[in-house]
Amino acid sequence: AQSVTQLDSQVPVFEEAPVELRCNYSSSVSVYLFWYVQYPNQGLQLLLKYLSGSTLVKGINGFEAEFNKSQTSFHLRKPSVHISDTAEYFCAVSDSGGYQKVTFGIGTKLQVIP
Amino acid sequence: SAVISQKPSRDICQRGTSLTIQCQVDSQVTMMFWYRQQPGQSLTLIATANQGSEATYESGFVIDKFPISRPNLTFSTLTVSNMSPEDSSIYLCSAATGVKGSPLHFGNGTRLTVT
Repeated sequence: AQSVTQLDSQVPVFEEAPVELRCNYSSSVSVYLFWYVQYPNQGLQLLLKYLSGSTLVKGINGFEAEFNKSQTSFHLRKPSVHISDTAEYFCAVSDSGGYQKVTFGIGTKLQVIP
Repeated sequence: SAVISQKPSRDICQRGTSLTIQCQVDSQVTMMFWYRQQPGQSLTLIATANQGSEATYESGFVIDKFPISRPNLTFSTLTVSNMSPEDSSIYLCSAATGVKGSPLHFGNGTRLTVT
């Protein structure tokens, strides 16, 4: 069984400043890792995913994340945020040994301040 | 990527009644799931909707409370039965192709309030 910890429930940041949203996971097997974004009154959309290969993955809207196996982390970053990035961000994990159900973190609300 | 239509988008229901939520996917998908999203909590998987057979429920969820149908590859329903205020939540339909590492696609959710 896996678990996901998102250390920050809310992150306020000024527009054009950089941001990092933290995610740690635990699992006894190899995993796939995902970041999803949820805008108000909408479902979740995939931002990016790590399956294998390069540990730095780039996603939509200028976001990127780095897989760190030794620290069991998958932090999400953006060098310069925009007002439109205000949303809730979910880190998620699934086993890589076949199609398995996905476990989500509690979510981090990113509030971009003008 | 799959587009998922979910309805109703929101509803206010009285205690003791039932609500059926519909989920339509615009392409054939292997996997369909129902999640519950409560404030301050992570998304919780209710069940996997299996085509033509009984759904697979997660711990803490039972068929009598959350009956699910999936008559074909693109359509599923979730019923919330005998509702109580504790059932107030957002219910999300999601789907995936079933290929290893394939992401989940989500509907916009149904915001349910039970009074």
